[in-house]
Amino acid sequence: EDQVTQSPEALRLQEGESSSLNCSYTVSGLRGLFWYRQDPGKGPEFLFTLYSAGEEKEKERLKATLTKKESFLHITAPKPEDSATYLCAGLSGGSNYKLTFGKGTLLTVNP
Amino acid sequence: NAGVMQNPRHLVRRRGQEARLRCSPMKGHSHVYWYRQLPEEGLKFMVYLQKENIIDESGMPKERFSAEFPKEGPSILRIQQVVRGDSAAYFCASSQTQGGAEELFFGSGTQLSVL
Repeated sequence: EDQVTQSPEALRLQEGESSSLNCSYTVSGLRGLFWYRQDPGKGPEFLFTLYSAGEEKEKERLKATLTKKESFLHITAPKPEDSATYLCAGLSGGSNYKLTFGKGTLLTVNP
Repeated sequence: NAGVMQNPRHLVRRRGQEARLRCSPMKGHSHVYWYRQLPEEGLKFMVYLQKENIIDESGMPKERFSAEFPKEGPSILRIQQVVRGDSAAYFCASSQTQGGAEELFFGSGTQLSVL
């Protein structure tokens, strides 16, 4: 069974304090590793898709990387508006639509 | 271009009642997916539908749950005889192409509370 595990469950940072979120996955024939942002009371909002080990993608203060076993979401000099739950999801080779989600990391950035 | 619309945003039901959750996909999207987020759990796939067809319902509980996506109107997730364990956030997503995991757009969800 496919599994995605995120750590830590919660992370508190001071504004400007860089850090990383971890996503470990066991997904059969991984087709893609997805990162989403979820604000309270909202649905997930797409951030990145990574397809192969070694790939990196950046968007503003966020950078996502992928290895054969895990993915990292690096947050550089975060701002309070980056506070949200960040979700990681894997898409297995056996499906092109069924995502397996982790439980998420709740990020709080204090001013 | 309106996003994925779900209603109601909040739904309160007593045990044994029926719950109907609605999802209107983005304009031009004909593929709809339902996910459930139980407390302290990640989102779990429930069902994938196209207009008038259920493509994959492997994540749906075998009893009490059903889904449809008629030719006209929104997709409906129906839960009969709700129990407390059905309390969760139900999210709908849509895509333009078949199996479009890489272009999913999620709605804001329906929070179902069962008393």
